[in-house]
Amino acid sequence: NAGVTQTPKFRILKIGQSMTLQCAQDMNHNYMYWYRQDPGMGLKLIYYSVGAGITDKGEVPNGYNVSRSTTEDFPLRLELAAPSQTSVYFCASTPVPAYEQYFGPGTRLTVT
Amino acid sequence: RKEVEQDPGPFNVPEGATVAFNCTYSNSASQSFFWYRQDCRKEPKLLMSVYSSGNEDGRFTAQLNRASQYISLLIRDSKLSDSATYLCVATGTSYDKVIFGPGTSLSVIP
Repeated sequence: NAGVTQTPKFRILKIGQSMTLQCAQDMNHNYMYWYRQDPGMGLKLIYYSVGAGITDKGEVPNGYNVSRSTTEDFPLRLELAAPSQTSVYFCASTPVPAYEQYFGPGTRLTVT
Repeated sequence: RKEVEQDPGPFNVPEGATVAFNCTYSNSASQSFFWYRQDCRKEPKLLMSVYSSGNEDGRFTAQLNRASQYISLLIRDSKLSDSATYLCVATGTSYDKVIFGPGTSLSVIP
């Protein structure tokens, strides 16, 4: 049981490049979330999903896209990287929202 | 007003001290509350849920005051290993999401 896994751990992108941050969970959780955390700041919700095929925007969705084709996987796509997207990205899952969220180890992204 | 606000910190306390963190939430309909702990450059992990009657887990005590929309976390006999950022969390206007506070940093000094 690996919990929530994220790849890559680190990435440096040039402005305008694209990439996909991978997130997978093996706990059969319906709810999955993508957050970003800027230095010294709290978590901001980017996108979330309540089950396979269903996604919705969070607080800061601009510049990102998601898909949820399976219960296990919830990738986050950055289409045209900008310096403002330099951050740490955390994926999380939970069986129900009013319960503990299980986080992945994060992806540290730098856009230069 | 932010949905979840916390003491800005940082808190620097000596080993063995008692420290209290405060948190307020704006949505009176919030039903579930949590405290998470985040170590430097790591992912957040659940410290404890907060129940209406208050709850205790070893050296940690959480209290909820629904009338004042206020949550607290008390840490007794602080250890060096308690040094971390503590995040207050409340369910928001949508059932599907929770709202994380900005966090309060704690450093326990030898």
